[in-house]
Amino acid sequence: EPEVTQTPSHQVTQMGQEVILRCVPISNHLYFYWYRQILGQKVEFLVSFYNNEISEKSEIFDDQFSVERPDGSNFTLKIRSTKLEDSAMYFCASSSSGLGRFYFGSGTQLSVL
Amino acid sequence: KQEVTQIPAALSVPEGENLVLNCSFTDSAIYNLQWFRQDPGKGLTSLLLIQSSQREQTSGRLNASLDKSSGRSTLYIAASQPGDSATYLCAVRPGYGQNFVFGPGTRLSVLP
Repeated sequence: EPEVTQTPSHQVTQMGQEVILRCVPISNHLYFYWYRQILGQKVEFLVSFYNNEISEKSEIFDDQFSVERPDGSNFTLKIRSTKLEDSAMYFCASSSSGLGRFYFGSGTQLSVL
Repeated sequence: KQEVTQIPAALSVPEGENLVLNCSFTDSAIYNLQWFRQDPGKGLTSLLLIQSSQREQTSGRLNASLDKSSGRSTLYIAASQPGDSATYLCAVRPGYGQNFVFGPGTRLSVLP
């Protein structure tokens, strides 16, 4: 079965530092998403990306966050100045169509100290 | 705003039992619904996707049903096994290309 790949699996950073989380979606997919899950809480939507632009974003996705698809394969989430409350598991997902199944990566566990 | 709830929050059953997990959503205008499995500290594995026009989907021992008008879906697991122990998440997609809205999950333990 095709896979979404995320790197790194764990990231530890100091408060105020910038982090970049990387994702390689499934190759023929067109829709890309970032979600996060704080320990013990629901999976929360951050942002969706289609046709090289953000199509939807949540209230969580403020000016500290940005996404980019720098080439034909990678999809990145940047947090400019991390806060303690950004500590969470971050998941990337992709879908072949607007109605298609979501495929999730295995996540990046971000710990902000 | 779409809200998704799941009952029960946790469930413990002996191996071999058939069981039902419930998912409810507040807005019946959905495009599709997806059930996921999450193992502790791991990613989400897609189990079944039901389009709004469908009533059910089956994969092996899993069967998911959808009653859009009443805002409900159920995941039926037949002949449960210890390897089925995980958290099961229900997620609803309100519209074409839109993000999935997740429920809080049901934590399932199947005892040998």
